[in-house]
Amino acid sequence: QKEVEQNSGPLSVPEGAIASLNCTYSDRGSQSFFWYRQYSGKSPELIMFIYSNGDKEDGRFTAQLNKASQYVSLLIRDSQPSDSATYLCAVLSGGYNKLIFGAGTRLAVHP
Amino acid sequence: NAGVTQTPKFQVLKTGQSMTLQCAQDMNHNSMYWYRQDPGMGLRLIYYSASEGTTDKGEVPNGYNVSRLNKREFSLRLESAAPSQTSVYFCASSEPRQLEGLFFGSGTQLSVL
Repeated sequence: QKEVEQNSGPLSVPEGAIASLNCTYSDRGSQSFFWYRQYSGKSPELIMFIYSNGDKEDGRFTAQLNKASQYVSLLIRDSQPSDSATYLCAVLSGGYNKLIFGAGTRLAVHP
Repeated sequence: NAGVTQTPKFQVLKTGQSMTLQCAQDMNHNSMYWYRQDPGMGLRLIYYSASEGTTDKGEVPNGYNVSRLNKREFSLRLESAAPSQTSVYFCASSEPRQLEGLFFGSGTQLSVL
């Protein structure tokens, strides 16, 4: 089992819809959770981080964390074509001082 | 503010050649990292440096060496390049414990023929 798993996609959504991206992790001791966006040929850029169970909102983005079920999700409201990218989930495992990344989910927002 | 700067952006090597990837950050971060990214495998940690003067192996350290030259600079060296090292390499930096995540450089596309 991979430490951080994501559906590779592509996830295709129409413009204006809500895109829902999911991530599961294996280490129950994980403390911090991050979402990165990566455009093709570019470096990852941090969108959000979340530490506590529940929801965290930032503009059109909402991160959701459920430690009991070991999943973290990212919702993108009012999706735009410019949101088309690969979204990487990263987890800071409890016993290590480094982030473990999932392989990413490719999101395609079509007009 | 440049953030995290990597050089070169592109490099082609022949099997057995050596090279050094350079990375510098101007965010006064203590921790620096080298990742490689391969299709379908996400980002994998090669080496990291929690603070100046320390380095530790990550998930895939074989075939690489690193040097934390000072607080700003962290280099990655391939002593004898192999085709399996064809990848995109990213340098990153963060505050200790990565509480606010990593900040990445623009990447180096390396091809080993």
